[in-house]
Amino acid sequence: GAGVSQTPSNKVTEKGKYVELRCDPISGHTALYWYRQSLGQGPEFLIYFQGTGAADDSGLPNDRFFAVRPEGSVSTLKIQRTERGDSAVYLCASSPYQASGYNEQFFGPGTRLTVL
Amino acid sequence: GENVEQHPSTLSVQEGDSAVIKCTYSDSASNYFPWYKQELGKRPQLIIDIRSNVGEKKDQRIAVTLNKTAKHFSLHITETQPEDSAVYFCAASTAFGNEKLTFGTGTRLTIIP
Repeated sequence: GAGVSQTPSNKVTEKGKYVELRCDPISGHTALYWYRQSLGQGPEFLIYFQGTGAADDSGLPNDRFFAVRPEGSVSTLKIQRTERGDSAVYLCASSPYQASGYNEQFFGPGTRLTVL
Repeated sequence: GENVEQHPSTLSVQEGDSAVIKCTYSDSASNYFPWYKQELGKRPQLIIDIRSNVGEKKDQRIAVTLNKTAKHFSLHITETQPEDSAVYFCAASTAFGNEKLTFGTGTRLTIIP
């Protein structure tokens, strides 16, 4: 079946602008994660959804970052007043979540955000 | 919070030789340790994982070992092939992978033909 998809694949914006990044998880996956990957680094956790609610948003760097998942499927990561330091690849992952079991996180291809 | 360190940052091995990548973690509550392979410009893909109740797991040419006492785990790739060239990330989770993963900084593995 289809894997995790993310749009756009590339986004170039100017400092101070607002951007939205979209993630379509694997159908039926209730858990959705956002990570940020800077050049030469491992993915860094941002936020985790279980269904429609944000179960853990401790990784969001500041209040310019916000994410939603209104219907428990597609998620949008929103960044206000973008800064050059926000430039990175934003990765989305999903997993089927079983409370009693281990769950692989399946990653999307990422959105490369460049803030000029 | 959890901190994962990974070594080496780069590794070059002759085709056919073995490669070993090592990670340490700080949170003794971590119970799930996946390894992801990321080719240039591609998404991370799980290649193997290990749970805290086992010490070793093997899948063909790939094996992972876990030492809970020392809080370290390692990836072993035997009989390396050119297609093994990629960046490898270790990660740790305190919730069986159901919540956030904390990643290491990655190892760029190059297989020399």
